Amino acid sequence: AQSVTQLDSQVPVFEEAPVELRCNYSSSVSVYLFWYVQYPNQGLQLLLKYLSGSTLVKGINGFEAEFNKSQTSFHLRKPSVHISDTAEYFCAVRDFNAGGTSYGKLTFGQGTILTVHP
Amino acid sequence: DTEVTQTPKHLVMGMTNKKSLKCEQHMGHRAMYWYKQKAKKPPELMFVYSYEKLSINESVPSRFSPECPNSSLLNLHLHALQPEDSALYLCASSQFLSQQETQYFGPGTRLLVL
Repeated sequence: AQSVTQLDSQVPVFEEAPVELRCNYSSSVSVYLFWYVQYPNQGLQLLLKYLSGSTLVKGINGFEAEFNKSQTSFHLRKPSVHISDTAEYFCAVRDFNAGGTSYGKLTFGQGTILTVHP
Repeated sequence: DTEVTQTPKHLVMGMTNKKSLKCEQHMGHRAMYWYKQKAKKPPELMFVYSYEKLSINESVPSRFSPECPNSSLLNLHLHALQPEDSALYLCASSQFLSQQETQYFGPGTRLLVL
């Protein structure tokens, strides 16, 4: 079974500063990795995903993440944040092959609340 | 269009009530999901449907009853709920039931059980 650890429950930053939200995972098999964002009182929106290929993945709203297999990490970064980036961010993982079935459960981390201050 | 819609947005019900949550998508997706999200927690999977058939039930109590009447619609029937069932209920869909597919989430129904 896989698990996801988001190392920071809250990250406060000032507008236009860079930010990194950390995510580590554990799994006995290869995984697919996702970052979702949840704005207040809304559902989840996909920011980006890593399936294969280049380890640097670019997503929407200027976010990017780097898959590091040796460190089992998938940290999310943005070089300059805006007030509108204030939201909760969830890292999620799915097993590449869950016991031979076609379905791998999407497992979420506990979330990181990003608060951007003016 | 990558929209999943959910109704109602908010729902308050008593423990003896019967109510239903509705989810709809018109993206031609063949996999649909129900998640439960408690305050300050990540979403937890409840049910998965693939081609209108129930594929996964994550040991959810029988007071929650899912239904997929067609490929665009997913319902969650609620009966005799408990106050601890108060949460945000999220619906999601993906093109197929496979690990690579992106799940698209609706805005959720915020449920309060009194």
